Amino acid sequence: DQQVKQNSPSLSVQEGRISILNCDYTNSMFDYFLWYKKYPAEGPTFLISISSIKDKNEDGRFTVFLNKSAKHLSLHIVPSQPGDSAVYFCAARGAAGNKLTFGGGNRVLVIP
Amino acid sequence: NAGVTQTPKFRVLKTGQSMTLLCAQDMNHEYMYWYRQDPGMGLRLIHYSVGEGTTAKGEVPDGYNVSRLKKQNFLLGLESAAPSQTSVYFCASSSGSIGYTFGSGTRLTVV
Repeated sequence: DQQVKQNSPSLSVQEGRISILNCDYTNSMFDYFLWYKKYPAEGPTFLISISSIKDKNEDGRFTVFLNKSAKHLSLHIVPSQPGDSAVYFCAARGAAGNKLTFGGGNRVLVIP
Repeated sequence: NAGVTQTPKFRVLKTGQSMTLLCAQDMNHEYMYWYRQDPGMGLRLIHYSVGEGTTAKGEVPDGYNVSRLKKQNFLLGLESAAPSQTSVYFCASSSGSIGYTFGSGTRLTVV
């Protein structure tokens, strides 16, 4: 029973256009949601987060939107750059032990 | 400043062999975690620790044991490796605030 799901495993986008990644969750007790970026042969690196009491958080080219009623969040990258080509993981934090539950990941390819 | 260091980076085991994966962090973090990454399944939590001397089970703990004798180290053991344990293993640490720092991973193949 996956509590955090990422559909559309891969995405190709032209350089300069917008990349939109989606994530759905089932547990209404999650208090923070995070996005991680992962390059091959490296560990995931933190990208951006959002509290469950917010609906939007922006950091440069990256914006995360949260729709609590739909249990849905999305990551917008604009403009997309070739260096954004990576796998992106959505994660949600539960209450005890500061544990993160991850989705299956989305592979993004930005075409120059 | 190394962050989180995992050793070894690669390993091939025969079914039934045992091994220990070492994770070391130099950020004085209280929390440490072991995840495995499999295609299409994201990262799944194996075991975690909320402080020195403590350990707890995660989502997929079977076949693994852990120890946290020192705050900076978190060891993951496989007593009798099985092909189903072929995966990439990531260690992470956290101060308890938002976000983890991950190591670069250990690619384990069990034949």
